[in-house]
Amino acid sequence: EDQVTQSPEALRLQEGESSSLNCSYTVSGLRGLFWYRQDPGKGPEFLFTLYSAGEEKEKERLKATLTKKESFLHITAPKPEDSATYLCAVQRGQAGTALIFGKGTTLSVSS
Amino acid sequence: DGGITQSPKYLFRKEGQNVTLSCEQNLNHDAMYWYRQDPGQGLRLIYYSQIVNDFQKGDIAEGYSVSREKKESFPLTVTSAQKNPTAFYLCASSAGTGGKNIQYFGAGTRLSVL
Repeated sequence: EDQVTQSPEALRLQEGESSSLNCSYTVSGLRGLFWYRQDPGKGPEFLFTLYSAGEEKEKERLKATLTKKESFLHITAPKPEDSATYLCAVQRGQAGTALIFGKGTTLSVSS
Repeated sequence: DGGITQSPKYLFRKEGQNVTLSCEQNLNHDAMYWYRQDPGQGLRLIYYSQIVNDFQKGDIAEGYSVSREKKESFPLTVTSAQKNPTAFYLCASSAGTGGKNIQYFGAGTRLSVL
């Protein structure tokens, strides 16, 4: 069964304390892995998409990496405004299917 | 500005009532999706449409119905058959459904039962 698991469920960091969020997946024929940021009461905001093992993408303090079994979202020197829920999703190999989402990691950064 | 507009932001349903959630996009995207989000759970797919006048059931379609009469619009009806409708509903769209098609989301509609 296709599945996406994110860990930890919640993460508390001090401002400037770097860390990583994990997304492990089991899917037949991965067509893409997506990271989104979601603020409370709002829709998910697209961050990155990765398509092949070894690929990396960066945006400000965030860096996403992909292996054959998992993806990491590295947060370097986070600020309070990075506090949000980060969602990982995969697109299956079959054409025409939508995304499978993990439950998310809720990040809290305190100053 | 291009984007996805969901309305209303908040919606209340009475027992036995059908309610319709609106989703409009001006991104010229072919594909549109409806997801449901419950606390502590990932987004779950209700219905999706790859093209006008065509749509497919997702993982949790029971108690819901959709139509796709226009490329820009993909309304979702929550019927009285849906016994636990309280959730946050998200609409998304993408240029297509193949690989390398990013889904963009609206701001969501929060549905509650009176």
